[in-house]
Amino acid sequence: GQQVMQIPQYQHVQEGEDFTTYCNSSTTLSNIQWYKQRPGGHPVFLIQLVKSGEVKKQKRLTFQFGEAKKNSSLHITATQTTDVGTYFCAGLWEYGNKLVFGAGTILRVKS
Amino acid sequence: DVKVTQSSRYLVKRTGEKVFLECVQDMDHENMFWYRQDPGLGLRLIYFSYDVKMKEKGDIPEGYSVSREKKERFSLILESASTNQTSMYLCASSLWDVYGYTFGSGTRLTVV
Repeated sequence: GQQVMQIPQYQHVQEGEDFTTYCNSSTTLSNIQWYKQRPGGHPVFLIQLVKSGEVKKQKRLTFQFGEAKKNSSLHITATQTTDVGTYFCAGLWEYGNKLVFGAGTILRVKS
Repeated sequence: DVKVTQSSRYLVKRTGEKVFLECVQDMDHENMFWYRQDPGLGLRLIYFSYDVKMKEKGDIPEGYSVSREKKERFSLILESASTNQTSMYLCASSLWDVYGYTFGSGTRLTVV
């Protein structure tokens, strides 16, 4: 079946450093969504990207959708301890009827 | 805000028991989903439903069944619980395919 590959699996950063997680699909996506799961919590929807080359920002978070709609990234500028958690991407393919989640990137921030 | 409520936060069941996990959403969403989450494996889809009395298998349906008799309620059933079904179970709902999912708080099931 269709898969979304997400890297890295883990990232430990010093508070104030930047962080990026990447998602890749072998086939063109209809849209991609990003979720954050705090430790002990449940995934929370952050954003959806639909257009080729789209870039969206939420405060220190920048989301990009590749020109070919096969890859996406989430970049956090100047991480804070409140950013800790697992970040998931989730892809939807044309004519698909359900999201497929990546394995997630666990972010730890050292203060 | 959309609320998705899962009936239990923690459950401990014995091998062979029939287990019911309940999920209720309060925003008239058409779509409901059941996932299990295991370390290193991410979120894996068990079953989903796009309408009352309608269900479709996800990626790992073996050992599970579902019921959706009312639009707001989607139940996951473990017909005969086994230890390899020990996991975190997450219910989610969404308005349409292209909208973000709202997840419940999860049920951590331990089968002993």
